Amino acid sequence: KNEVEQSPQNLTAQEGEFITINCSYSVGISALHWLQQHPGGGIVSLFMLSSGKKKHGRLIATINIQEKHSSLHITASHPRDSAVYICAVITPGGSQGNLIFGKGTKLSVKP
Amino acid sequence: DVKVTQSSRYLVKRTGEKVFLECVQDMDHENMFWYRQDPGLGLRLIYFSYDVKMKEKGDIPEGYSVSREKKERFSLILESASTNQTSMYLCAVDRAPRSYGYTFGSGTRLTVV
Repeated sequence: KNEVEQSPQNLTAQEGEFITINCSYSVGISALHWLQQHPGGGIVSLFMLSSGKKKHGRLIATINIQEKHSSLHITASHPRDSAVYICAVITPGGSQGNLIFGKGTKLSVKP
Repeated sequence: DVKVTQSSRYLVKRTGEKVFLECVQDMDHENMFWYRQDPGLGLRLIYFSYDVKMKEKGDIPEGYSVSREKKERFSLILESASTNQTSMYLCAVDRAPRSYGYTFGSGTRLTVV
């Protein structure tokens, strides 16, 4: 069983829709990253969370440590939001500074 | 914020060639990582380094080695490239202790023919 599970794997939305991507994990963590990867490969860190909620523009990330679950929401989605969104957790101890990644959610927003 | 540069975006090499992938940061963060990314498998850790000349194997080190002679540069070496090493390779830097989080390079898409 993967330690970090994302759902859905693929998501197609119409422009303007509200989007939710989910991430569940089974290990103890010190923090959780939401990452964005556009076609072409480069990865950008959107959020780092250890509790509660963060908002940046149209993006909102929440985390529930007790339930070991995080969500990434995109309000008023736009075709430029089309990308792969990856959840990654940072585990305390273990390999120094290692991340455990989910397999990603491929989002496609149609105009 | 640190800038992480991977020297090549796309690379095509022949089977059996020795391949060097370079990752350079413009600061002096200690922890640097090499990942490969494959469809359906996500990102997997190949090697990481926590200081000059210090390295540790990740989850899939077979067929790879690394070099960290200077703090800012972390090189991934494919000793004898094989077709199953065709992949996207991503370098990352841990921004601790200055800030909390990771910065990724733009990736190198390697094709071995």
